[in-house]
Amino acid sequence: AQTVTQSQPEMSVQEAETVTLSCTYDTSESDYYLFWYKQPPSRQMILVIRQEAYKQQNATENRFSVNFQKAAKSFSLKISDSQLGDAAMYFCAQHPQGGSEKLVFGKGTKLTVNP
Amino acid sequence: AAGVIQSPRHLIKEKRETATLKCYPIPRHDTVYWYQQGPGQDPQFLISFYEKMQSDKGSIPDRFSAQQFSDYHSELNMSSLELGDSALYFCASSPGQQTYEQYFGPGTRLTVT
Repeated sequence: AQTVTQSQPEMSVQEAETVTLSCTYDTSESDYYLFWYKQPPSRQMILVIRQEAYKQQNATENRFSVNFQKAAKSFSLKISDSQLGDAAMYFCAQHPQGGSEKLVFGKGTKLTVNP
Repeated sequence: AAGVIQSPRHLIKEKRETATLKCYPIPRHDTVYWYQQGPGQDPQFLISFYEKMQSDKGSIPDRFSAQQFSDYHSELNMSSLELGDSALYFCASSPGQQTYEQYFGPGTRLTVT
């Protein structure tokens, strides 16, 4: 069974600084995809970034980047130049390769951005 | 860009009543997923459809049923509602075989009193 673990229930960061959110996962699949979703107070689930397991290069989307360590089954999210609008719950999720499979989410990390 | 549409956005029902939630996926997305998110919890997968056929099933109660129609919209039917069914229900859609990203709708907040 696939599991996703986020060991930090809450994190805080000063505006303009950098923060890293941790995620580890367990899977028997050889091919899979990993995602970070952001859920602000509006409760909308917003896709932040994705990583294909077969790619060694870490994904980057503007101020968001990941550190993907496949052997360690680790997938952390780094947010640079943090902004007040980054405050949200962040969920790490795993999706096995193959079209119609569910996302398995971690329990989430609540990020607070201090002005 | 078009997003996933869910209706209604809010729904209040009494115990033992029935509710129907609707989802309209992003155009040309052929896969639809339903998730349930309780207060302070992560989303839990309920059921998915690919090309109008059920493709995967999670922890969906027998009181719930769902289907995907010819225009790819999907409906989640919930009967004999219980207080514990109060949650945020998300629909997500995906282009399926082309990519594995799931795009979420705004959710339907169901309150059972």
